[in-house]
Amino acid sequence: EVQLVQSGAEVKKPGESLKISCKVSGYRFTSYWIGWVRQMPGKGLELMGIIYPGDSDTIYSPSFQGQVTISADKSISTAYLQWSSLEASDTAMYYCARRGSSSSGYYHMDVWGKGTTVTVSS
Amino acid sequence: DIQMTQSPSSLSASVGDRVTIACRASQSLSSFLNWYQQKPGKAPKLLIYGASSLQSGVPSRFSGSGSGTDFTLTISSLQPEDFATYYCQQSYTTPGTFGQGTKVEIK
Repeated sequence: EVQLVQSGAEVKKPGESLKISCKVSGYRFTSYWIGWVRQMPGKGLELMGIIYPGDSDTIYSPSFQGQVTISADKSISTAYLQWSSLEASDTAMYYCARRGSSSSGYYHMDVWGKGTTVTVSS
Repeated sequence: DIQMTQSPSSLSASVGDRVTIACRASQSLSSFLNWYQQKPGKAPKLLIYGASSLQSGVPSRFSGSGSGTDFTLTISSLQPEDFATYYCQQSYTTPGTFGQGTKVEIK
């Protein structure tokens, strides 16, 4: 069974750093892109960026470039999303999701983690 | 960036109704368009990919159509478990962008 297991909820203060994780199982980690999606309270879904663990190629959405860092550790089949200095506006639910593809070459986020809640408050 | 616009933002419907949600892209996507369902407190779930292909395990009352810039998600007969928020997502560019969502509520 394909699973993406995310790390637990975090409560942080503004200015602190944070790294959350997404551990995958049930498929070859290095063969699929993994994306990170933000959902602020009561709001919609935003794709932050995506990484190919096979070679660590990473593509960020323009809104998130320079704001976060996406990485992966092939040895433990885990993807990461990190902040160097959190702000209150980073308070949100963060999902990781696998990007699958069809035989016709269409991409889609087919398996999702349950999400990690990040709360940033002084 | 490709902008995705869904309409309506919300709708009220009754069990058994036929429901249609529209999604428009700011440029042509060919058929690189996906639909997701999200229930409160849950992760999104893939319903439709490639504009019209039903994801495995998704009930056949869900269907998708369209190509280019205009797409539609149709629920042929709304069931109680279908009350949720629906998002379109373009995968023509990487990483892709979501529409703002359409909340389907009980009338």
